[in-house]
Amino acid sequence: AQSVAQPEDQVNVAEGNPLTVKCTYSVSGNPYLFWYVQYPNRGLQFLLKYITGDNLVKGSYGFEAEFNKSQTSFHLKKPSALVSDSALYFCAVSGGNNAGNMLTFGGGTRLMVKP
Amino acid sequence: NAGVTQTPKFRILKIGQSMTLQCTQDMNHNYMYWYRQDPGMGLKLIYYSVGAGITDKGEVPNGYNVSRSTTEDFPLRLELAAPSQTSVYFCASSYTGARNTEAFFGQGTRLTVV
Repeated sequence: AQSVAQPEDQVNVAEGNPLTVKCTYSVSGNPYLFWYVQYPNRGLQFLLKYITGDNLVKGSYGFEAEFNKSQTSFHLKKPSALVSDSALYFCAVSGGNNAGNMLTFGGGTRLMVKP
Repeated sequence: NAGVTQTPKFRILKIGQSMTLQCTQDMNHNYMYWYRQDPGMGLKLIYYSVGAGITDKGEVPNGYNVSRSTTEDFPLRLELAAPSQTSVYFCASSYTGARNTEAFFGQGTRLTVV
């Protein structure tokens, strides 16, 4: 079975500082990894994905994520946080042996960026 | 661009009532998904479909049913509502499997069962 852990319920960052939102995963076969963001009263929006290739993936709104196979991690990062980045962030994984290409989501991490 | 449209946005049901959550997408996506989101629990997959006429169970299918008669529509049916089904429901779609391409989500249906 595939699973995702987001160890922090909430991350607090001052505007302009770098941010990291942590994610670790467990899956059989090669992992397909995703980050989605959810703003209040909205559905999830795609940020970025890792399928293969370069371990550093760049996505929307200046976010990037680093795939680390040995640590089974896929942490989300941004060099300089904005107040508008405050939202709920979800990491998701899909394994290779998965007929429906189903995504398994982590519990989410609330990012609070303070002015 | 409509994307994924869910109706209704909010609903209150009494225990034992039934209802259908509607989901339609205009992107000609083959794959469609229903998730429920409970506080602090992330999203759990209820049912999914890889194309018209094909559906399969996800992680938490009990108490729900789905159908996929067209590419565009993927309704979710609750037959006998229970308080445990109080949640926010999201429909999503993707062109191929969600591991290969981004999934597009609707705005959600907030359901309360009392």
